Amino acid sequence: DAKTTQPPSMDCAEGRAANLPCNHSTISGNEYVYWYRQIHSQGPQYIIHGLKNNETNEMASLIITEDRKSSTLILPHATLRDTAVYYCIVRMMNRDDKIIFGKGTRLHILP
Amino acid sequence: SAVISQKPSRDICQRGTSLTIQCQVDSQVTMMFWYRQQPGQSLTLIATANQGSEATYESGFVIDKFPISRPNLTFSTLTVSNMSPEDSSIYLCSVEGGGVETQYFGPGTRLLVL
Repeated sequence: DAKTTQPPSMDCAEGRAANLPCNHSTISGNEYVYWYRQIHSQGPQYIIHGLKNNETNEMASLIITEDRKSSTLILPHATLRDTAVYYCIVRMMNRDDKIIFGKGTRLHILP
Repeated sequence: SAVISQKPSRDICQRGTSLTIQCQVDSQVTMMFWYRQQPGQSLTLIATANQGSEATYESGFVIDKFPISRPNLTFSTLTVSNMSPEDSSIYLCSVEGGGVETQYFGPGTRLLVL
């Protein structure tokens, strides 16, 4: 079973920041938080991952709470092309640990 | 990041037949995975394709139904055997990215079984 809980859907206005929450209250000390997204008719795309510090890359920012029981993915200026299902995943950072997908959040960017 | 291609991209098959899906990566990778995504659902891991040994299947998936080959570090196949309409899904290949410890996904194969 997936170790994360996400809202099933969210709306965000184009140009605004999209903040996607994720609950992972049972995360262990050696598990990372990963985010992927799946645009319609495509394979999932890696976005970002982190352990306990906040992370930022060209796609998004990841804010992890101090107790690591929840996190937020931030798309700073959402565009229509960001409409997708976003998956929050907890896994260990080693090649043998599988990615288990939950149901994700369906993000609708509204024009 | 790894570039992954899958063949065929889509197919329509008759029940009782089998289809083999190919996954090709542009670089050598240790870990390759096969996922299924049923209509409107999330991804479910079928198995890990191990190079030089038998695939490791997840609960609910068996080798007779989903035989997997992994002849080298850049290629794998998944066969969906004795298909039924319930096998209609998107099948995705995934590989562990070198040096980043994350997975990259192929574009998927859309299968419709009539």
